[in-house]
Amino acid sequence: DGGITQSPKYLFRKEGQNVTLSCEQNLNHDAMYWYRQDPGQGLRLIYYSQIVNDFQKGDIAEGYSVSREKKESFPLTVTSAQKNPTAFYLCASSPDTLNIQYFGAGTRLSVL
Amino acid sequence: KQEVTQIPAALSVPEGENLVLNCSFTDSAIYNLQWFRQDPGKGLTSLLLIQSSQREQTSGRLNASLDKSSGRSTLYIAASQPGDSATYLCAVGGFQKLVFGTGTRLLVSP
Repeated sequence: DGGITQSPKYLFRKEGQNVTLSCEQNLNHDAMYWYRQDPGQGLRLIYYSQIVNDFQKGDIAEGYSVSREKKESFPLTVTSAQKNPTAFYLCASSPDTLNIQYFGAGTRLSVL
Repeated sequence: KQEVTQIPAALSVPEGENLVLNCSFTDSAIYNLQWFRQDPGKGLTSLLLIQSSQREQTSGRLNASLDKSSGRSTLYIAASQPGDSATYLCAVGGFQKLVFGTGTRLLVSP
């Protein structure tokens, strides 16, 4: 059953804590993306990766970090430097950067 | 910088009505345009992808058009059903990334 799996579905962060959101895909896609969605707003790009061991900052990368050590995995770390982390985080993948993007079910992050 | 606007922000229609959702963008130098559907608290589902060289795409009751010169795209939904209730997002494909609109929230009443 091919697709994109995000975990956990819900995540709570304490003050000063780093948290990592998982994104795994078995579609054999080269490109992967992380977006943030706030209420009433469109999706904003945090980071993207076109190939293993390479990634680029999106429009709102400050306070976030990523890695791409395996083709199927693109974890996102929300660091303590991100002062307003409460949002819905969506991971996506595509065969290449000009193709349809397929999305995971999302992780909702809240601050305790 | 590409900016994408969707009008209206919300739309409520009775079942069976045909409807049009609008998307406008400021920079016509695009690679493609995608329409997505998002149910509450869920991820996005791709509905249609129009390449920059195309004028329209159709899938079932959905038809999307693209006019690059005027910076506009429309999503036409024929014979709407309550199951069509969701938020519809358009996204403009530039070099390496998509720029999303804020979406149109659609409610189709039985």
